[in-house]
Amino acid sequence: AQSVAQPEDQVNVAEGNPLTVKCTYSVSGNPYLFWYVQYPNRGLQFLLKYITGDNLVKGSYGFEAEFNKSQTSFHLKKPSALVSDSALYFCAVRDMRNTGNQFYFGTGTSLTVIP
Amino acid sequence: GAVVSQHPSWVICKSGTSVKIECRSLDFQATTMFWYRQFPKQSLMLMATSNEGSKATYEQGVEKDKFLINHASLTLSTLTVTSAHPEDSSFYICSAQRGGRTDTQYFGPGTRLTVL
Repeated sequence: AQSVAQPEDQVNVAEGNPLTVKCTYSVSGNPYLFWYVQYPNRGLQFLLKYITGDNLVKGSYGFEAEFNKSQTSFHLKKPSALVSDSALYFCAVRDMRNTGNQFYFGTGTSLTVIP
Repeated sequence: GAVVSQHPSWVICKSGTSVKIECRSLDFQATTMFWYRQFPKQSLMLMATSNEGSKATYEQGVEKDKFLINHASLTLSTLTVTSAHPEDSSFYICSAQRGGRTDTQYFGPGTRLTVL
């Protein structure tokens, strides 16, 4: 079975501080991992993905994520949070062995950056 | 690049009517399109996967006669909610994928459906 867990429903961080949004995954094979951000009443915007290669992936708007195979994690990070980063963040996984194309999404983490 | 549009962005309809939502990939050809449903403050629920020129694959529990999906071309997929009822009110989001399984899904802005 494939699944994604985002253990925190809500993350609050002060502007200028580093932020981390956690994601762990479970797949039978090797994972493709993605992060998306959603602003109110909008669709999802792609931030970054891990397919293979370097475990540290850099994406849009200064975000990065580190793939950790031993911990089956793919946490999203940013060195210095902005108020405009406040949004809903979704982690998603696709199993390399799965012949289908569907993503499995986490339940989302609401990030609030406090001025 | 990789822009996906949805139309309409917001629709209100009476119970018993049908509503069609369009999803278009504007600057690329999408081999696969996906339809999701999202309830307030919840994650996305995959409804169906469609490939151009073939029948959609529906997820378990999704009524295919209720939610009709047509993927007529490599840039257009439509979702028709037939005989809509208030419980069908939701945020519907489509996504499109260009190529293989390593490719990113690009999401449309969503359609807010309210059934009175």
